[in-house]
Amino acid sequence: NAGVTQTPKFQVLKTGQSMTLQCAQDMNHNSMYWYRQDPGMGLRLIYYSASEGTTDKGEVPNGYNVSRLNKREFSLRLESAAPSQTSVYFCASSEGLAGATQYFGPGTRLTVL
Amino acid sequence: EDQVTQSPEALRLQEGESSSLNCSYTVSGLRGLFWYRQDPGKGPEFLFTLYSAGEEKEKERLKATLTKKESFLHITAPKPEDSATYLCAVPSGGYQKVTFGTGTKLQVIP
Repeated sequence: NAGVTQTPKFQVLKTGQSMTLQCAQDMNHNSMYWYRQDPGMGLRLIYYSASEGTTDKGEVPNGYNVSRLNKREFSLRLESAAPSQTSVYFCASSEGLAGATQYFGPGTRLTVL
Repeated sequence: EDQVTQSPEALRLQEGESSSLNCSYTVSGLRGLFWYRQDPGKGPEFLFTLYSAGEEKEKERLKATLTKKESFLHITAPKPEDSATYLCAVPSGGYQKVTFGTGTKLQVIP
C-alpha cells in the first residue's frame, strides 16, 4: 500500500499562475483533508471532504478550491497564485472525521514568486 | 477558541538523556489527543492517540500520557534517530477539524 500520495513534490509558480495539487489515498478512507504548513504557524486546515461528494471550508480557504473526484482522489486548485500561498501543502486522509487518526502524504513544497 | 500549545519549541539532548515534551490544550470536551512525528521534508507520521485522562501509551523509547489539561511525551534514553519535530493535535471546532500545535523540534546528539 502506498498510503497517501501527492504530486508534484516541488513547484515554482509566478504570481497569477494557476495550478492543481493532486492527492490520492489507497486506504479506502472516507475523509480527506488539505493543510498548509508555515514556519511558526503549525498545520492549518484549508478544506476537507467528509465523504465522497462533499467538501467544506476549513480555517484558511481563501484563494483555494477543491474537488473530491472520487473516494480516492482529492485535488487542491490555486486559481491565481499569490506569494502568500508559498508554503508546504499536505494532504491527509482518515476513516472518519476529526476523531479519527489522520494519515499524511509527503507534501508539496510550493513557491510563488 | 480552541488552542494547542507545545513546549519547548526546541530541545537538544545528549544521547541517553531522558526528557519530556509538553502539549497543553484548551478545547471544549476533549475527544482525543494525537501525537505525530515529522521528519524534515516529510509528512507527519502518526504515533499515538489518547482518549481519556490517565491513559498512557508506549512505543519503543516513547511514552505518551494525558491529563485533563495537558499531555506529555516522555522520551527515555533517546537515540539520534529520535531527532524530529513532534506535533500534538486535538479534534476541535465541532470535531470537524483538528487543531495542531506548532511542534517541538528535538535534536539528539551522539
